[in-house]
Amino acid sequence: GAVVSQHPSWVICKSGTSVKIECRSLDFQATTMFWYRQFPKQSLMLMATSNEGSKATYEQGVEKDKFLINHASLTLSTLTVTSAHPEDSSFYICTPRGPGTEAFFGQGTRLTVV
Amino acid sequence: QKEVEQNSGPLSVPEGAIASLNCTYSDRGSQSFFWYRQYSGKSPELIMFIYSNGDKEDGRFTAQLNKASQYVSLLIRDSQPSDSATYLCAVNRGIVGGYNKLIFGAGTRLAVHP
Repeated sequence: GAVVSQHPSWVICKSGTSVKIECRSLDFQATTMFWYRQFPKQSLMLMATSNEGSKATYEQGVEKDKFLINHASLTLSTLTVTSAHPEDSSFYICTPRGPGTEAFFGQGTRLTVV
Repeated sequence: QKEVEQNSGPLSVPEGAIASLNCTYSDRGSQSFFWYRQYSGKSPELIMFIYSNGDKEDGRFTAQLNKASQYVSLLIRDSQPSDSATYLCAVNRGIVGGYNKLIFGAGTRLAVHP
């Protein structure tokens, strides 16, 4: 159980463009979603959490207008990095949570902004 | 003071030995503790979790928790070269939607040499 699919696994985009990352729970309903990012050689930093159908709650220092989170369904949540800049280059990882699941991570998306 | 602290390592152990990884946390209210393994360029994999003081064993892994000392450790018996990875300690900082909001340490890099 708790199969998580994150897409794309890697993406390169030009500075100023937007990138959408999808996180799907394939065999359970994710009522809550956690999004993390990890800079090289650093640990995972929690960016935001969302409950299905509600607005996301962002951690201190994370710009909600830059990192748009949509959790409109129980099997899909998206993170959109708007107007991406090189400093947004990072490894973005989701953890969907539902009844009976433990904290498993998606495969991660490596974003490189050039 | 960081919320979750780990020695960055590298911790080098010979194959077959016991690897001991340590983690301290600052929030006395934390109730749930997790160990993840992360290979380079990959997403973290859940190894085990512990909620109660004492030891919890799962195969070659043993988690130890001492809430009074705010200390959690992971022992890996019969270490194998394939265990070489970064080990992340995670501690819950509250609950969101009924699920643990996890805060991660910076990780300890383990190197098991033949």
